[in-house]
Formats: sequence, structure tokens, C-alpha cells
Amino acid sequence: QVQLHESGPGLVKPSETLSLTCPVSAYSINTGYYWGWIRQPPGKGLEWIGSIYHSGNTYYNPSLNSRVTISIDTSKNQFSLKLRSVTAADTAVYFCARHPGNGPGDYYFDHWGPGTLVTVSS
Amino acid sequence: EIVLTQSPGTLSLSPGERATLSCRASQSVSSTYLAWYQQKPGQAPRLLIYGASSRATGIPDRFSGSGSGTDFTLTVSRLEPEDFAVYYCQQYDTSPFTFGPGTKVDIK
Repeated sequence: QVQLHESGPGLVKPSETLSLTCPVSAYSINTGYYWGWIRQPPGKGLEWIGSIYHSGNTYYNPSLNSRVTISIDTSKNQFSLKLRSVTAADTAVYFCARHPGNGPGDYYFDHWGPGTLVTVSS
Repeated sequence: EIVLTQSPGTLSLSPGERATLSCRASQSVSSTYLAWYQQKPGQAPRLLIYGASSRATGIPDRFSGSGSGTDFTLTVSRLEPEDFAVYYCQQYDTSPFTFGPGTKVDIK
């Protein structure tokens, strides 16, 4: 059973960069599939941030595109999120998750990490 | 961007009752690329339905999905105590992939 678990600082200062990693266990990300990031502000709904393929191909939500970089490290079996120039509006629980394939009909999320709360505050 | 609207916002029901949740898209979701998730407080969402009507692995058959185009429905035939949660729909037809605002099913 594939497992994901987000890790990174729980507190980031305004204007700085939020950085999270998602180590994957019980599955080699080099095998395939897309891997994604989703966030959820406290008490609110879900927002897809972006996704990456094991080859490094990425696609992002245009609403965050200019501030987001998602990367993958197959040697460490993990993928990462960087969100630049954060504000209080970026305070949220951040989830990493897996798409179950790499075709057009596979861009839902079948496995999720437990999520990590990142607060943006000075 | 495809905007998803879910109704009702809150559904108050008793265990054993039937729950019917609606998800409407601002434009047609082709090939029924619509998923449903369940989320409980402090937990990650759990995939229930994909392809509008296919149950994910391990999901009980009291959960069913239907619909096409712009109108989709999640039905829970008989609510169990563990089914009281928030339910989200998600379209994955067109990037950016978007979620609905959620329907909370609480105990009456």
C-alpha cells in the first residue's frame, strides 16, 4: 500500500518561501504516475496546486503558477513543493497525493498524505 | 476553469436514511471525469468514486455515483454512523482540476 507523508516547517514568515517534501514509501515513483499537491485553508475547501510526472513534466494551477515550483527526486523517492512570496492567504493544510495513472482519465487522487498545517505569520 | 457547485451545503439526516448529494459543473465534464471524496475532521480526503460511477477500492456498495455532462449525484443508500462527514466532488476533465465547496452530512 503506497504511503505518502508531508514534511516541512509549520511556520513561514510573510514574503518568504514555503517548502515541503513528500517522501513516498511502498512504491517507486520512478515507475510512473503523476504526483500532486493540494491545499485546504482552515475551515475551507480544497484547491489543487499542481502535479508532476516522474520524468519531471509539471503542470500547475494558473492561479498559483507564477509562485509555484514542484520538483521530483527519484533517488530519494520523493517530490517537493516550493511556494514563493507567501502571504497569510497561503495559510492552509497542504496535502500530497497520487494520481492513479498518467492518462487523461487518471487525474483524480487515490492516495493522500495526512496533511500538514503551514501557517504564514511573522 | 470549470466551477463546481454542490448542494445542499448541509444535509441533516439520521442513521439509516438515504443521502442524495448534488454536484453541478459550470460546463460539461466530458467522459465523466468526476470524482467524489469523503473527508472527516483532521483527516485527508478519501476517494469514494471516480469516473462518475466507479467505486474506489474498499468502498462499501452503499455509496454510488451517477450523472454526466453538468449534473452528478452521490447517493448513500443507508447512512452508517461513520458516514457523517464532508463530501467533495472534483472534476479532472480540464486543468486546473477543481473541487466543489463540499456538502456536510451531519446527524439530525
